[in-house]
Amino acid sequence: DAEITQSPRHKITETGRQVTLACHQTWNHNNMFWYRQDLGHGLRLIHYSYGVQDTNKGEVSDGYSVSRSNTEDLPLTLESAASSQTSVYFCASSRDRRGTGELFFGEGSRLTVL
Amino acid sequence: AQSVTQLGSHVSVSEGALVLLRCNYSSSVPPYLFWYVQYPNQGLQLLLKYTTGATLVKGINGFEAEFKKSETSFHLTKPSAHMSDAAEYFCAVARGSTLGRLYFGRGTQLTVWP
Repeated sequence: DAEITQSPRHKITETGRQVTLACHQTWNHNNMFWYRQDLGHGLRLIHYSYGVQDTNKGEVSDGYSVSRSNTEDLPLTLESAASSQTSVYFCASSRDRRGTGELFFGEGSRLTVL
Repeated sequence: AQSVTQLGSHVSVSEGALVLLRCNYSSSVPPYLFWYVQYPNQGLQLLLKYTTGATLVKGINGFEAEFKKSETSFHLTKPSAHMSDAAEYFCAVARGSTLGRLYFGRGTQLTVWP
């Protein structure tokens, strides 16, 4: 079955370190998204991509970057981790912009920055 | 710009009682509307969606929602709550040229008492 997987599921790191969260989907979806989930804020969009070599900033993109070198993967990098980036991160994908917009989510990556 | 407002961050009901989770949206054009559910330590999964056509939409697990354009609402209901319905519920909206991108509400935590 097609799926979307995130790794690592849990990570503890120190302030200032670079961290990369992986996201891999096997649906061959063009669209991929990274959200962060924080209590009281719901899901906020960090970055998104509509295809290979395409990346766009979401509403909370400061301190994060993504790259899209193939259809299946959209890794999220925290260049210099900060305590404010402690959160649960969700990757999601959808078919294309002409679809109905349904997102398929990974199970999340819980990041703690000490 | 779009926004989604979920009224009530926490809703508690007794098993067998009616579930009503409220969602209002702001959009200048007819939107696509979604309800997602998140069980503990899992990603979000689609409950139901409205794109076009019938305004009463039926989803999984006995949930349904009605799109009311005049009230800009998309409230989620279930006639009889079950213990397994305890989860967090998110309303989301997408539209037009940004169909691949969803805007989420802050979520409503549903507690079901025995």
